[in-house]
Amino acid sequence: EAGVAQSPRYKIIEKRQSVAFWCNPISGHATLYWYQQILGQGPKLLIQFQNNGVVDDSQLPKDRFSAERLKGVDSTLKIQPAKLEDSAVYLCASSLLDLETQYFGPGTRLLVL
Amino acid sequence: GESVGLHLPTLSVQEGDNSIINCAYSNSASDYFIWYKQESGKGPQFIIDIRSNMDKRQGQRVTVLLNKTVKHLSLQIAATQPGDSAVYFCAENPLLGNQGGKLIFGQGTELSVKP
Repeated sequence: EAGVAQSPRYKIIEKRQSVAFWCNPISGHATLYWYQQILGQGPKLLIQFQNNGVVDDSQLPKDRFSAERLKGVDSTLKIQPAKLEDSAVYLCASSLLDLETQYFGPGTRLLVL
Repeated sequence: GESVGLHLPTLSVQEGDNSIINCAYSNSASDYFIWYKQESGKGPQFIIDIRSNMDKRQGQRVTVLLNKTVKHLSLQIAATQPGDSAVYFCAENPLLGNQGGKLIFGQGTELSVKP
């Protein structure tokens, strides 16, 4: 079974630029999560989707971050404009349903200069 | 508030010894706990989980213990191997309202195995 796929693996941008990350969850997984992991810390949930609907986006900085999962499968996370403090690893995870085991992708490492 | 923390940020053990990684959680309503292993440059990898109606669960070379009285979680790794070197995170699911599925992660413990 293929795991969670993410791209790109690395991205370097300058502050105020925009960036987008892509995630393809495990086939059949209805729930998709985006986490932000700052160096030396545990992942922090940004947004959770159930199929194509948002379940929890309470910790998503909505003035600059947006995410969508239009067809209930792939998802994109966008940052516009980026700030220095957005430098982190952005992890995508999926689970069959909410409250089930979450499986993580390799992450996208973002450096904002 | 909701928080999950680890007692020790680093742990160094000799190959073949047993490792114990500890975690404290603050939300007594949490129902589900998970241990993840994260190697450098990779995403967290599921190791083992436990629900609040259990106090012990065993996997292959790993055991998770849950003490709800003192809100403490531990991960025991038997016969630690160099491949076990990684950062280990505990995570809890508070199951509060519509936060179903949301995991709260601790800071992590870095396990280093000396050959």
